[in-house]
Amino acid sequence: DAGVIQSPRHEVTEMGQEVTLRCKPISGHDYLFWYRQTMMRGLELLIYFNNNVPIDDSGMPEDRFSAKMPNASFSTLKIQPSEPRDSAVYFCASSLDVAGGSEQFFGPGTRLTVL
Amino acid sequence: GENVEQHPSTLSVQEGDSAVIKCTYSDSASNYFPWYKQELGKRPQLIIDIRSNVGEKKDQRIAVTLNKTAKHFSLHITETQPEDSAVYFCAASRPNNNDMRFGAGTRLTVKP
Repeated sequence: DAGVIQSPRHEVTEMGQEVTLRCKPISGHDYLFWYRQTMMRGLELLIYFNNNVPIDDSGMPEDRFSAKMPNASFSTLKIQPSEPRDSAVYFCASSLDVAGGSEQFFGPGTRLTVL
Repeated sequence: GENVEQHPSTLSVQEGDSAVIKCTYSDSASNYFPWYKQELGKRPQLIIDIRSNVGEKKDQRIAVTLNKTAKHFSLHITETQPEDSAVYFCAASRPNNNDMRFGAGTRLTVKP
């Protein structure tokens, strides 16, 4: 397996534009997570899915952020409209459903810069 | 929800010395405690993990200890090498929801 795949790897956009980040989890994994990483706030969990269903989106900063998982092999994180403070590295991760927790495999991340 | 605190935020050691990073968690129901290493510009990767039914686990130069009563766990790296330089994150996860919360990270620098 190629591991978790994210695209694009880098995104530079202007304030007010819509941004869509994409993730393909490892085949067979039941959980998918979206994280945001900044120097100030560290690694923050935004939302996670179990079997394509959103379980906890309490980490989503505000209504400008939305995430979908239409099938087991694809998820998107959308920011509309984007703002400079959204600049960060966004990681997608996936894991198996193992009682008591299991390793999360991270994608390479998308570095987002909002000008 | 779970709150994970990690100390120190930065740690500098001489090559060959040991390094210890400590974390505390708030939710007594948490039972899975992984440690991730993130090199500059790379993704976090698991280096070791421990579950609540185990007090200590070792993998070559890396060991993790867990004190469930005190709700803290620690990462120990012995005989440090320059390639150990990275940011290390602890995390805690509750059962049945895979909701993992990360500590703020420790930037470890190993000086040759």
